[in-house]
Amino acid sequence: DGGITQSPKYLFRKEGQNVTLSCEQNLNHDAMYWYRQDPGQGLRLIYYSQIVNDFQKGDIAEGYSVSREKKESFPLTVTSAQKNPTAFYLCASSPRSYSYNEQFFGPGTRLTVL
Amino acid sequence: DQQVKQNSPSLSVQEGRISILNCDYTNSMFDYFLWYKKYPAEGPTFLISISSIKDKNEDGRFTVFLNKSAKHLSLHIVPSQPGDSAVYFCAAKVGAGNNRKLIWGLGTSLAVNP
Repeated sequence: DGGITQSPKYLFRKEGQNVTLSCEQNLNHDAMYWYRQDPGQGLRLIYYSQIVNDFQKGDIAEGYSVSREKKESFPLTVTSAQKNPTAFYLCASSPRSYSYNEQFFGPGTRLTVL
Repeated sequence: DQQVKQNSPSLSVQEGRISILNCDYTNSMFDYFLWYKKYPAEGPTFLISISSIKDKNEDGRFTVFLNKSAKHLSLHIVPSQPGDSAVYFCAAKVGAGNNRKLIWGLGTSLAVNP
């Protein structure tokens, strides 16, 4: 089945540690996105990638890093510089950049920093 | 400051009746609006959209109405079914080219009772 997978579903880390969230898609989509959801806020864009080996900062990129070495994969690293890392993280992909009505989302990873 | 507001956090409707989910926005530069649906433990899925040059778009049981003068859109589900029980997000697109982005509402949780 085609889709987007995110792992793990729940992740716990100690403060000060970097952590990498996985996002894989087998939809052959060019574009991939990382969002963050916090209570009382809508989804906010962290980073996005329009094509392999290319990515741009979203609205809240500080304290995060990404890579896009393969079309299928867009891992997000939450670094120790991110001041409030505890959140629900959603990965998405779309066939082309900004084709929001064709955006497919993964099930999300809930990160808790202790 | 929320540019896309879904003022009702939750809504309960009887099966077979109409569900009306509302969304207000403040930015007159929004030119495209989308509704996403989210089940627990899954990512959001695209439901229906409308361009700012239209006032209505219909897809089966789902209709979205746009009132630009009031900066208001609504999603109508007729007839409502128990499987429609989910969180519904309103999102609005602004910008062009590489400056395009989506602004998301907080969501409305719909419960359709048998």
